[in-house]
Amino acid sequence: AQSVTQLGSHVSVSEGALVLLRCNYSSSVPPYLFWYVQYPNQGLQLLLKYTTGATLVKGINGFEAEFKKSETSFHLTKPSAHMSDAAEYFCAVSVNQAGTALIFGKGTTLSVSS
Amino acid sequence: EAGVAQSPRYKIIEKRQSVAFWCNPISGHATLYWYQQILGQGPKLLIQFQNNGVVDDSQLPKDRFSAERLKGVDSTLKIQPAKLEDSAVYLCASSLRQGIYNEQFFGPGTRLTVL
Repeated sequence: AQSVTQLGSHVSVSEGALVLLRCNYSSSVPPYLFWYVQYPNQGLQLLLKYTTGATLVKGINGFEAEFKKSETSFHLTKPSAHMSDAAEYFCAVSVNQAGTALIFGKGTTLSVSS
Repeated sequence: EAGVAQSPRYKIIEKRQSVAFWCNPISGHATLYWYQQILGQGPKLLIQFQNNGVVDDSQLPKDRFSAERLKGVDSTLKIQPAKLEDSAVYLCASSLRQGIYNEQFFGPGTRLTVL
């Protein structure tokens, strides 16, 4: 069965610093991988996704993630953090194109200080 | 374009009471999802509809939870009777069609507290 592990429930960075949120997956078949962001009192919003093709995926708001099969990872990065990036971030995996049973990690809360 | 609408936004009930949540997806979206998000965890899919048919309800506790999407548009999720462990945010999402190539758009959620 597939699963997702997000390392670190809380990450704190200074404004302008590199953001790195870690996600490792477990899957017996090629996975489809997603990152979502959730701002307080709002629903989830898709940041980016990997399906096939290029392993470096660019998303909205300057975020990107790289699919590394050998490391079973899909870490999310942003070169320079903004205060507005403070939110909760979820990594998710699906193993079928139907997209059913999308499995989410427990989430990582990103805090950005000035 | 209007987003996914959910109501109520907050609900507090006593255990063993019943409660219902309503979701209106984005116009034209055939696929509708209900997720349960317990504090400190990621969302968990409860049920997925394609138009008015159920695609996946394998994680829906059918002894107490029910959901319907009678006309293939809006949907209702019901809990009867509620337990303490049902305290969570219930998220509704919709997509144009099923599949990973169709983005799921999420509503703001209904926060349920069971006392």
